[in-house]
Amino acid sequence: GQQLNQSPQSMFIQEGEDVSMNCTSSSIFNTWLWYKQDPGEGPVLLIALYKAGELTSNGRLTAQFGITRKDSFLNISASIPSDVGIYFCAGQRWGSNYQLIWGAGTKLIIKP
Amino acid sequence: DADVTQTPRNRITKTGKRIMLECSQTKGHDRMYWYRQDPGLGLRLIYYSFDVKDINKGEISDGYSVSRQAQAKFSLSLESAIPNQTALYFCATSDPRSDRVGNEQFFGPGTRLTVL
Repeated sequence: GQQLNQSPQSMFIQEGEDVSMNCTSSSIFNTWLWYKQDPGEGPVLLIALYKAGELTSNGRLTAQFGITRKDSFLNISASIPSDVGIYFCAGQRWGSNYQLIWGAGTKLIIKP
Repeated sequence: DADVTQTPRNRITKTGKRIMLECSQTKGHDRMYWYRQDPGLGLRLIYYSFDVKDINKGEISDGYSVSRQAQAKFSLSLESAIPNQTALYFCATSDPRSDRVGNEQFFGPGTRLTVL
């Protein structure tokens, strides 16, 4: 089935570093969502984007809806240990029936 | 109290057994979804329901069935479980009141199913 291309697959970072990840598609999307999943839990919505070019922040997290409508980016500034987890992008294609298409996830690991 | 609950949280069963996973929500949302999560594959949609009388197949519905007993309850059944159905299963809900908010899905804690 169709998935979004999410990269990187995993990241090893030092505490305090900034983190960037992105999702791309060959299709146009009218919604981009970013979720975080902690071990043993369901995904939790972090940021929702509805307009091309939109830049939205949630604390140290900032996400952008790409101008082409085919990509989205998530940045985490000054990472802390509780940022560890798997980050997923999800998008709704133009004309679809509220079904979301999901990326495979970016696993964030903080080096001790 | 959790808005979206799933039972059981963990289940081990044998090949050929019928299994039911249950989802309940107190968010008052009309739309409910069942997803399957496998390592490295993200989330894949099994079935979704936009109201009690509406059931739709998702990307990977073969081997699964669902029942929407009420606005708040959506059950997933594996008619005859097989080992490759071993996975994490998530229920989610969304609110259709507007085009924007209707896209935002809220997830339960998941059920870890192992089929031996």
